[in-house]
Amino acid sequence: EAGVTQSPTHLIKTRGQQATLRCSPISGHTSVYWYQQALGLGLQFLLWYDEGEERNRGNFPPRFSGRQFPNYSSELNVNALELEDSALYLCASSLVGRSFFGQGTRLTVV
Amino acid sequence: GENVEQHPSTLSVQEGDSAVIKCTYSDSASNYFPWYKQELGKRPQLIIDIRSNVGEKKDQRIAVTLNKTAKHFSLHITETQPEDSAVYFCAASKMDFGNEKLTFGTGTRLTIIP
Repeated sequence: EAGVTQSPTHLIKTRGQQATLRCSPISGHTSVYWYQQALGLGLQFLLWYDEGEERNRGNFPPRFSGRQFPNYSSELNVNALELEDSALYLCASSLVGRSFFGQGTRLTVV
Repeated sequence: GENVEQHPSTLSVQEGDSAVIKCTYSDSASNYFPWYKQELGKRPQLIIDIRSNVGEKKDQRIAVTLNKTAKHFSLHITETQPEDSAVYFCAASKMDFGNEKLTFGTGTRLTIIP
């Protein structure tokens, strides 16, 4: 069974541009979570989608947004990129309990 | 909302010795406590978890203990090996009838000294 997959693995953008990150959950998992991990720091909760709806969002500005598709895959969009958005973005999926992470997308803003 | 504190931030242990990482949580309604291991450049991996209806859980060299009254839980690694070197994160959430987001601690960088 495939695990959580994220694409792209690496992404380089210029300040002010938009970035789109994608996540495919484990088959059968309905919830997708997005976390930001800045270099050397912990996991900061960004967004939670379940059954196509946004259930919760962390303390991030509105330029961080996303959606979940009918097949439960998810997209994270970051608008008006700032240098401090450079980080590893991790997606996790769960089904009533345990969460499993993807390998992450390393976003670099220059 | 939930707040999870984790200590220590760094820990160095001689190979073969035990390592203990401690976390406290603020929301008494939290009932699910997983631990993740993140090796350099890799994804966090779930290594053990515990629910509030049990006080201790073991899996080979790894154990987790939970004290609901004091609102703290700990990860114990015995007979440490070089491959245990990684960053460990604790987390807490409320798992009722569905999914719920995890609140993570700030991580502990564990170094095993050969």
